[in-house]
Amino acid sequence: DTGVSQDPRHKITKRGQNVTFRCDPISEHNRLYWYRQTLGQGPEFLTYFQNEAQLEKSRLLSNRFSAERPKGSFSTLEIQRTEQGDSAMYLCASSLGAGTGAGGYTFGSGTRLTVV
Amino acid sequence: GENVEQHPSTLSVQEGDSAVIKCTYSDSASNYFPWYKQELGKGPQLIIDIRSNVGEKKDQRIAVTLNKTAKHFSLHITETQPEDSAVYFCAASITGTASKLTFGTGTRLQVTL
Repeated sequence: DTGVSQDPRHKITKRGQNVTFRCDPISEHNRLYWYRQTLGQGPEFLTYFQNEAQLEKSRLLSNRFSAERPKGSFSTLEIQRTEQGDSAMYLCASSLGAGTGAGGYTFGSGTRLTVV
Repeated sequence: GENVEQHPSTLSVQEGDSAVIKCTYSDSASNYFPWYKQELGKGPQLIIDIRSNVGEKKDQRIAVTLNKTAKHFSLHITETQPEDSAVYFCAASITGTASKLTFGTGTRLQVTL
């Protein structure tokens, strides 16, 4: 297991289309996080899972966004009816427990979404 | 909620010089402060972290200091090398909760030869 994998790396979509991203965390990590990063900004928290339970959602996560982690392993983030403001890098991270132990969070390389 | 401010936004140093990046946080309950390095096209990578019960931590050329009273923490990189060039983010969180991180806006460090 070499780290957190995200797919696709890049996605260009037309406004109004739906998109889905996938994240495969480090296998022994029980927590999985989604962050969004816009150009020149730090990552912003969207949501997190402990095993398969989604425990917190940010106000940034509008009702067009939905995330799942069906078996406590990989996760998907879906954006419905995309808008140009959704253009960003979507980062997934995983951790063992609270992520404040050795190694902290491990981030994937992200999915860059461009809405045209 | 927590708010983290980071300065400077860009920093250029000559190879071998030191670099210092400073962050302030607003929530006195925050007790975990990691620093991440992000290279082009990659996700952030943890380089060092500090907890609120410690004032300073060092790992080879990298050190972090924390002043809980003033609510600020700093990253110090000594003997900078070209491969240190990247964007650095500070972050803060409260352990024992979701431990979601609140990030600063980043510092682009350029190490010139």
